[in-house]
Amino acid sequence: DTGVSQDPRHKITKRGQNVTFRCDPISEHNRLYWYRQTLGQGPEFLTYFQNEAQLEKSRLLSDRFSAERPKGSFSTLEIQRTEQGDSAMYLCASLGTGQGHHEQYFGPGTRLTVT
Amino acid sequence: QKEVEQNSGPLSVPEGAIASLNCTYSDRGSQSFFWYRQYSGKSPELIMFIYSNGDKEDGRFTAQLNKASQYVSLLIRDSQPSDSATYLCAVISPGGFKTIFGAGTRLFVKA
Repeated sequence: DTGVSQDPRHKITKRGQNVTFRCDPISEHNRLYWYRQTLGQGPEFLTYFQNEAQLEKSRLLSDRFSAERPKGSFSTLEIQRTEQGDSAMYLCASLGTGQGHHEQYFGPGTRLTVT
Repeated sequence: QKEVEQNSGPLSVPEGAIASLNCTYSDRGSQSFFWYRQYSGKSPELIMFIYSNGDKEDGRFTAQLNKASQYVSLLIRDSQPSDSATYLCAVISPGGFKTIFGAGTRLFVKA
């Protein structure tokens, strides 16, 4: 257990529905990533926060995806109008403020199935 | 060309042997390099990081970085069946935010 938690752990939804996932990072960590991982692939970068600021977002994402980190603590990832291609594991990772240190610690993930 | 490339494997080694995992990356400006282990159905777990050219050892693990050749490797000495997993190579892009993962190499350690 890395100390990063994600909720829910599993989500089954019908195509067209909206879903929201939550990530609670390690308390003293100010940086947070969201990734998507499909079977047989490595995690794919979605977005990065430093404190409450979203500093980078993947160009691969459509406008259906949005992420927030309102108080620089927990973060949410919302997918609107889900499609079957959105079925994947959604991973959150956090890391601390140490300058020059980029070691990320992953949560257990949220597995999304779109039917 | 993929940004981070790994041989998908599977790589099969006998118990007690050295497992050698390799990774190449395309962006010469990349600064930080990581190896993660991922068991089936679980999330990635950080096992090694390396920022400078050369070798870095931690227990049974040694990471090797050659920036001139854009090559990172991971050696696992005295391999154990519990080391059987997918090993992911990850690279931080220039600018320090975006992390790019390879597709991973599956390792099987036979008892």
